[in-house]
Amino acid sequence: GQQVMQIPQYQHVQEGEDFTTYCNSSTTLSNIQWYKQRPGGHPVFLIQLVKSGEVKKQKRLTFQFGEAKKNSSLHITATQTTDVGTYFCAGYGGATNKLIFGTGTLLAVQP
Amino acid sequence: DGGITQSPKYLFRKEGQNVTLSCEQNLNHDAMYWYRQDPGQGLRLIYYSQIVNDFQKGDIAEGYSVSREKKESFPLTVTSAQKNPTAFYLCASSPPSDEQFFGPGTRLTVL
Repeated sequence: GQQVMQIPQYQHVQEGEDFTTYCNSSTTLSNIQWYKQRPGGHPVFLIQLVKSGEVKKQKRLTFQFGEAKKNSSLHITATQTTDVGTYFCAGYGGATNKLIFGTGTLLAVQP
Repeated sequence: DGGITQSPKYLFRKEGQNVTLSCEQNLNHDAMYWYRQDPGQGLRLIYYSQIVNDFQKGDIAEGYSVSREKKESFPLTVTSAQKNPTAFYLCASSPPSDEQFFGPGTRLTVL
């Protein structure tokens, strides 16, 4: 079945360093969404990308959707302690039209 | 306030007991979902419903049951057939093929 993998599983950075998580799907996606889950909390929607090659920015966060619509990335510039949490990508694709979540990347930021 | 609520926040169950987790939304969304999250893991889809009186199995439906008698409500029953039910359960709702809004979750522990 369709799988969405993320790397790395875990990343520890010093505050001020950059961070990137990569998302790869086994099938073409109609769109890609990104969510953030703070420790002990629930996932919160960040953004949705629809077009091939699309790039969107939210302050220090840059999201990219690959040309083949099978991969995506989230880049955080100059991390802050408020960025701590698990970042999930999720995509719609395949015959079932279910949203398939990636495995997630846990970001730890040391002050 | 519009949103999605889950109750209870924490739930303890003895082995062999069925337990029902509540999920209510007032966002007027047709689609609702149940996910299971284990420590350090991603989200796995248990059941989803795209319209009242209809629902489909997700990837890990065994040992769970749902009903969708009202648009606002999508309760999940964890039955005694579920071999390892201790987990964090998240309910979500969404417009068609759009972002998902998550409830605060229920942490179920089997004693």
